[in-house]
Amino acid sequence: GAGVSQSPSNKVTEKGKDVELRCDPISGHTALYWYRQSLGQGLEFLIYFQGNSAPDKSGLPSDRFSAERTGGSVSTLTIQRTQQEDSAVYLCASSPYRVTGELFFGEGSRLTVL
Amino acid sequence: SQKIEQNSEALNIQEGKTATLTCNYTNYSPAYLQWYRQDPGRGPVFLLLIRENEKEKRKERLKVTFDTTLKQSLFHITASQPADSATYLCALYGEYGNKLVFGAGTILRVKS
Repeated sequence: GAGVSQSPSNKVTEKGKDVELRCDPISGHTALYWYRQSLGQGLEFLIYFQGNSAPDKSGLPSDRFSAERTGGSVSTLTIQRTQQEDSAVYLCASSPYRVTGELFFGEGSRLTVL
Repeated sequence: SQKIEQNSEALNIQEGKTATLTCNYTNYSPAYLQWYRQDPGRGPVFLLLIRENEKEKRKERLKVTFDTTLKQSLFHITASQPADSATYLCALYGEYGNKLVFGAGTILRVKS
């Protein structure tokens, strides 16, 4: 597709379960970002990839959160032992620029932890 | 500490008027500042980027200014339309230039 694709679009899970969120960036985009947006709040930076490496993981809220990117393309954000406060929309964005420049966002994955 | 502040209250204006949104930042020295639009249930969409050596940038009905002395950017929408109603986010790169940090956004409502 032409844009950033995220799946699933909606995920409802029980507290304590693990979840995986997937992001397919725009082909050729080297930079990939994950953000979290809680209801009515701004975007909270989680992690940034340049290629397959993550120079900045400073935003990951706890060690229950991890992310990887393979082949310089698809990225997976994994949340282990989910908690209710993890409920949010998880947004992925990609960019063709190495350092600065505009981001192209997906529509997000809405996670609800019961 | 580093902060990006946008008007927390919604801005309500009449159709045809100019909307002006403010973005103030503290303890950043950005070379670039960006503005995005976000509609409910959607991801943000890039609108404009302005560089530190540019005082003003225009795109159709949009105008952005960037004052590095005041540490402020203003975002204007002229001849506003109900379709302009959305949340507008400013963003800039943090230290090391590899993390785009967003303000909380300002909700704009344009009434016909």
